[in-house]
Amino acid sequence: GIQVEQSPPDLILQEGANSTLRCNFSDSVNNLQWFHQNPWGQLINLFYIPSGTKQNVRLSATTVATERYSLLYISSSQTTDSGVYFCAVGYNFNKFYFGSGTKLNVKP
Amino acid sequence: DAGVIQSPRHEVTEMGQEVTLRCKPISGHNSLFWYRQTMMRGLELLIYFNNNVPIDDSGMPEDRFSAKMPNASFSTLKIQPSEPRDSAVYFCASSPDRGTEAFFGQGTRLTVV
Repeated sequence: GIQVEQSPPDLILQEGANSTLRCNFSDSVNNLQWFHQNPWGQLINLFYIPSGTKQNVRLSATTVATERYSLLYISSSQTTDSGVYFCAVGYNFNKFYFGSGTKLNVKP
Repeated sequence: DAGVIQSPRHEVTEMGQEVTLRCKPISGHNSLFWYRQTMMRGLELLIYFNNNVPIDDSGMPEDRFSAKMPNASFSTLKIQPSEPRDSAVYFCASSPDRGTEAFFGQGTRLTVV
């Protein structure tokens, strides 16, 4: 299957700081999603972004499929942003492979 | 829409017992997935269905695991007999069509003692 690498594995931010999370994948994909797993374990959809750039309030994501990476940018971080951020990629439609995640801790 | 609904939210069972996890996908979605999350292995795809038909079950760990989707609004994942190493959070997800955005349920935390 596709190998998905996320970096950094752990990240500590002071509230208000900005950061970029990276997702590299080993093969061509036609499907990519970013999720936030909150401290209660719920997987929340952030972006469905097989290519291009999208923005949602303080979050934005960019996928460059030809270069096999995606970036998630968090601006003006808040304590509620804490949790684990997952990138999931797929080919052959809907067979998602998850990365190991970036664990984010935003301190007040 | 209520989203993907899983039951039970928590399950504690003894080794050797049968466990059945349930999932109701979002209405109108025709793809359904079962995932398992553990600390050691992260999120793994177990099986996925398209239009109620199992498409890929290569992630099912062994014959003790089985999944069914008798209709478009219901799926089950069964473990028989259960073992302590099956302890994990099991997620169900659905998507409107192949290659589109998937939405996850809140998961079932299974503990086998």
